[in-house]
Amino acid sequence: QLQLQESGPGLVKTLDTLSLICSVSGDSIGSSGHYWGWIRQPPDRGLEWIANIKYGGNTFYNPSLRSRLTVSVDASKRQVSLKLSSVTATDTAIYYCARLPWDTDYRGFDFWGRGTLVTVSS
Amino acid sequence: DIVMTQSPLSLPVTPGEPASISCRSSQSLLHRSGHNFLYWYLQKPGQSPQLLIYLGSNRASGVPDRFSGSGSGTDFTLKISRVEAEDVGIYYCMQGLQVPWTFGQGTKVEIK
Repeated sequence: QLQLQESGPGLVKTLDTLSLICSVSGDSIGSSGHYWGWIRQPPDRGLEWIANIKYGGNTFYNPSLRSRLTVSVDASKRQVSLKLSSVTATDTAIYYCARLPWDTDYRGFDFWGRGTLVTVSS
Repeated sequence: DIVMTQSPLSLPVTPGEPASISCRSSQSLLHRSGHNFLYWYLQKPGQSPQLLIYLGSNRASGVPDRFSGSGSGTDFTLKISRVEAEDVGIYYCMQGLQVPWTFGQGTKVEIK
């Protein structure tokens, strides 16, 4: 059964780099047609798409975060990572990773992790 | 960016009665392939979002058939034929046609 587990520091200092890992089990991270996405949700707010990445393939970033964002896939570790630099309080949010079957049937984010809360504070 | 606008933002419902949520996009979500890149998610209290509908009208795996999606272009609707207590939460529409992918503000469904 597919499991996605986000992990990382719950507290990041202002202007530091936020680093998160999404550990994938129960599915091949390099499965044909599968992308992996990051989405965030500020406390008591709506959802914001961050990026989609495919192992060995394309990466799509939200332009509003593009200059500060790096997303990568390590198939050997079965991990998807996110790094967001120069964070401020507006980056405080629950960060979710999700599976994205896309190349053939465009199914959207069909499985989500439980999310991890990151608070940015000085 | 494509702006997604949901209505209503709050929807009190009676169990057993139907319910409907509207989602409008600022640009057409109809791709030349014939697919509408419109998705519906439900975020139950304290949980991660879960996929309900993909490509405008296709129910995701395991989603009860009381949920249905319709529409094309810029106007879409999510319908619940008979609301159950477990359907409470916030419903979001999302467009996957153009980067950045964008979500609606969310519609909070609660039992009257």
